[in-house]
Amino acid sequence: DAGVIQSPRHEVTEMGQEVTLRCKPISGHNSLFWYRQTMMRGLELLIYFNNNVPIDDSGMPEDRFSAKMPNASFSTLKIQPSEPRDSAVYFCASSGRGQGEVYYSNQPQHFGDGTRLSIL
Amino acid sequence: QQQVKQSPQSLIVQKGGISIINCAYENTAFDYFPWYQQFPGKGPALLIAIRPDVSEKKEGRFTISFNKSAKQFSLHIMDSQPGDSATYFCAASRGGQNFVFGPGTRLSVLP
Repeated sequence: DAGVIQSPRHEVTEMGQEVTLRCKPISGHNSLFWYRQTMMRGLELLIYFNNNVPIDDSGMPEDRFSAKMPNASFSTLKIQPSEPRDSAVYFCASSGRGQGEVYYSNQPQHFGDGTRLSIL
Repeated sequence: QQQVKQSPQSLIVQKGGISIINCAYENTAFDYFPWYQQFPGKGPALLIAIRPDVSEKKEGRFTISFNKSAKQFSLHIMDSQPGDSATYFCAASRGGQNFVFGPGTRLSVLP
């Protein structure tokens, strides 16, 4: 089975440019999470969706960041305009009952391999 | 109160030894405590998880010990192997939604 798929794997762009990161969650999962990982701050939850609806975006650092989930199989995280301090690895994770899986009240998160973003 | 504290920051263990990583939390509403393993260039992967109604869970060489009254939990890796060298994160969540991660422990197992 395919895991969480993120694209691109690497992105290098200049300050001020718009950056769009993409995520395809595991089929059947109904929760999706966006994280940012840096050496200084570790893994930070930016936003999460449940059934395509944003539930908590309190981790989004500022208005330059926005996230959407137009359907159950796709989400984007957009940074506009980008700044050097946005350089980090961005992870998408999904959780929920996949096809054929037993339901538990707490479901583990399955992470993608991340997008390494460098803003010059 | 949302923080999860984790120690040590880094750990060096000889092959065959026991690796122990400790975590502590404040929010008593947390009801799910997973551990993740992350290799360079990869996303974190679930290793083992525990719920607060049990004090210990073992899967192969990996054991979680959970102390509800002390609000602490730990990961024990028995017979540590060089392939276990990775960064380990503890986490806590409430209702499977509000995940909070510890800062991570970088484990190096020497051959």
